[in-house]
Amino acid sequence: EDKVVQSPLSLVVHEGDTVTLNCSYEVTNFRSLLWYKQEKKAPTFLFMLTSSGIEKKSGRLSSILDKKELFSILNITATQTGDSAVYLCAVTSNFGNEKLTFGTGTRLTIIP
Amino acid sequence: DAGVTQSPTHLIKTRGQHVTLRCSPISGHKSVSWYQQVLGQGPQFIFQYYEKEERGRGNFPDRFSARQFPNYSSELNVNALLLGDSALYLCASSQGTGNIQYFGAGTRLSVL
Repeated sequence: EDKVVQSPLSLVVHEGDTVTLNCSYEVTNFRSLLWYKQEKKAPTFLFMLTSSGIEKKSGRLSSILDKKELFSILNITATQTGDSAVYLCAVTSNFGNEKLTFGTGTRLTIIP
Repeated sequence: DAGVTQSPTHLIKTRGQHVTLRCSPISGHKSVSWYQQVLGQGPQFIFQYYEKEERGRGNFPDRFSARQFPNYSSELNVNALLLGDSALYLCASSQGTGNIQYFGAGTRLSVL
């Protein structure tokens, strides 16, 4: 069965700090890894990663995938209070459907 | 363009009752997936439908069923509700396998 483990479970930092969130996975026939941000209800899409070693960036957020070691990291630089949320990591496989297997998430709290 | 829309936003039911949740995908998206998210956990995959056909089913009892209509909207039905069915039910849509899934704001179901 596919499995995603995120660490840390929660993180409290001061505004302006840089944070790194971790995601390790076990999946048969890996297709992609996705990061979502969940503030209240709807998870909002951040990144989709399919290839090792290629960094994806969006403003202060960046992410990279290591398919050999089976993990991904999400970096947030110069954190702001609006970055406070639960960050979810999910994987998909090549088994003919779109099932996302999620981790439990990392709850990030930014103190002003 | 409107995002994924779900109705109702909140619902309170008693044990043994039946519930129907509704989802309208992003215009042009033919795939709809349903997820259950209990407090403190990541979303769990329930069903995926593509072009009105079931493409995937998670580890949920037969009390859970779904369907997709010709306009690609979808319904999730849950019979004989249990207290443990209390959760946030999320709907996601995409253009198809391998594409990004975008989530709606969910339906918060409380079973008393």
